[in-house]
Amino acid sequence: GQQVMQIPQYQHVQEGEDFTTYCNSSTTLSNIQWYKQRPGGHPVFLIQLVKSGEVKKQKRLTFQFGEAKKNSSLHITATQTTDVGTYFCAGIRSSGTYKYIFGTGTRLKVLA
Amino acid sequence: EAQVTQNPRYLITVTGKKLTVTCSQNMNHEYMSWYRQDPGLGLRQIYYSMNVEVTDKGDVPEGYKVSRKEKRNFPLILESPSPNQTSLYFCASSPRIGQYEQYFGPGTRLTVT
Repeated sequence: GQQVMQIPQYQHVQEGEDFTTYCNSSTTLSNIQWYKQRPGGHPVFLIQLVKSGEVKKQKRLTFQFGEAKKNSSLHITATQTTDVGTYFCAGIRSSGTYKYIFGTGTRLKVLA
Repeated sequence: EAQVTQNPRYLITVTGKKLTVTCSQNMNHEYMSWYRQDPGLGLRQIYYSMNVEVTDKGDVPEGYKVSRKEKRNFPLILESPSPNQTSLYFCASSPRIGQYEQYFGPGTRLTVT
């Protein structure tokens, strides 16, 4: 079954509000990647985190990789209508496989 | 332009009729992968390929086949499609497995009746 859960599944926010999605894996990951998929589009890479406890920022987006390398979060400050889409986390299990496992995704809707 | 292309983009077919979805990348990437996307389940990896002639199963390989005879191409084959294979399919590539971003194709919407 699905081994990487994301919460919430859906989020509606008013433009200007903050937004956070959480990604939780049942197994340790060697890395975590975040992707954004606009409605009707394909996933587009946002960022990758590799080190335990790593934090990276991209303008209004802040990404964090947990100390145990099993969870991650994406925080958007002051959302804009251009942030609309579904956000996915993805990673490779640390157990030596070459498979990617994706989270279930969080669909963000921003109300103007 | 660096890209991953898929064909067809949309396909409606009937149960049991063999079909192939093509995927091609022009970035000389070693790693290629197929995913299916279903509501509430995110993307699930079907098959992946580390390089030419090297393929392996992802998490949901049942009912699918792949081949990697050339570096740029990674077709997905459904020998006998069934309605539970109705889904949105994405091909992706990356320079190598590991700490590299994946580039996704535009997707193929498949309906099996």
